[in-house]
Amino acid sequence: QVTLKESGPVLVKPTETLTLTCTVSGSSLSNARMGVSWIRQPPGKALEWLAHIFSNDEKSYSTSLKSGLTISKDTSKSQVVLTMTNVDPVDTATYYCARITRVGLAGYYHYHGMDVWGQGTTVTVSS
Amino acid sequence: EIVLTQSPGTLSLSPGERATLSCRASQSVSRSQLVWYQQKPGQAPRLLIYGASTRATGIPDRFSGSGSGTDFTLTISRLEPEDFAVYYCQQYGSSPSQFGQGTKVEIK
Repeated sequence: QVTLKESGPVLVKPTETLTLTCTVSGSSLSNARMGVSWIRQPPGKALEWLAHIFSNDEKSYSTSLKSGLTISKDTSKSQVVLTMTNVDPVDTATYYCARITRVGLAGYYHYHGMDVWGQGTTVTVSS
Repeated sequence: EIVLTQSPGTLSLSPGERATLSCRASQSVSRSQLVWYQQKPGQAPRLLIYGASTRATGIPDRFSGSGSGTDFTLTISRLEPEDFAVYYCQQYGSSPSQFGQGTKVEIK
C-alpha cells in the first residue's frame, strides 16, 4: 500500500522560506512511471497545483509561483521537498503532496492522475 | 498556459438526479491528459477519472467522463448522498498543469 505524508512547520513568518517534506512509503521514487506533485488549497478556496517531479528529475512549476518554488527529491530517503521563498499571508493554505503516475514516452505521456494523496498539512503565514 | 473553466459554479440537485459538469479549456487538451477529482469537506481530493473517460480504481460506474479538444464533461448518472461534493478537472497537456476552479454539487 502506497502512502504519502506531508510534514513541515505549522506557522511561518512573512518573508521567510517554507520547507515542506513529502515522505513516500510503499513505492520507490525511482519508479519510472511515478512522480510526486504538490498542491495547495487556501481556506475555502480551490485547489492550486504547485509543482511536480518525476523519477528522471523532470520538474515543472506553477507559472505564477515559479520564481519562488523549488522541488527536489531524495530517492534514498523516499522524500520530495518543496521550498517556497519569501512567503506571504496569501500562502496560508493546506498543502498536499500526491503520487502522480504516467505511461508512455516523452512528449506522448498518458497521465493517470494523482491517485494517492497525503492527508495534507496546514500552514499559516503570519507575523 | 492553459486555463480551465468549470461550470456551473454550483449545481443544486436532488439525490437520484443526473449531474452534468463542464470543464472548458482555453486551448486544446489531449484526452489522455484530462483528469477529474472529487473533494469532500475536510478531505484530500480523490481521483475519479483519467484520460478524460477512464474511471480510476474503485470508482462506481455512475461516474462517467467524456469530451475532447477544449470541452470535457463529467456526468453522474444518479446522484447518491455521498456524491455531494466539489469536483475539479485538471490538465497535464501543457506545462504547467492546472486545475479548474471547481464545481460544487449541493443538495437541493
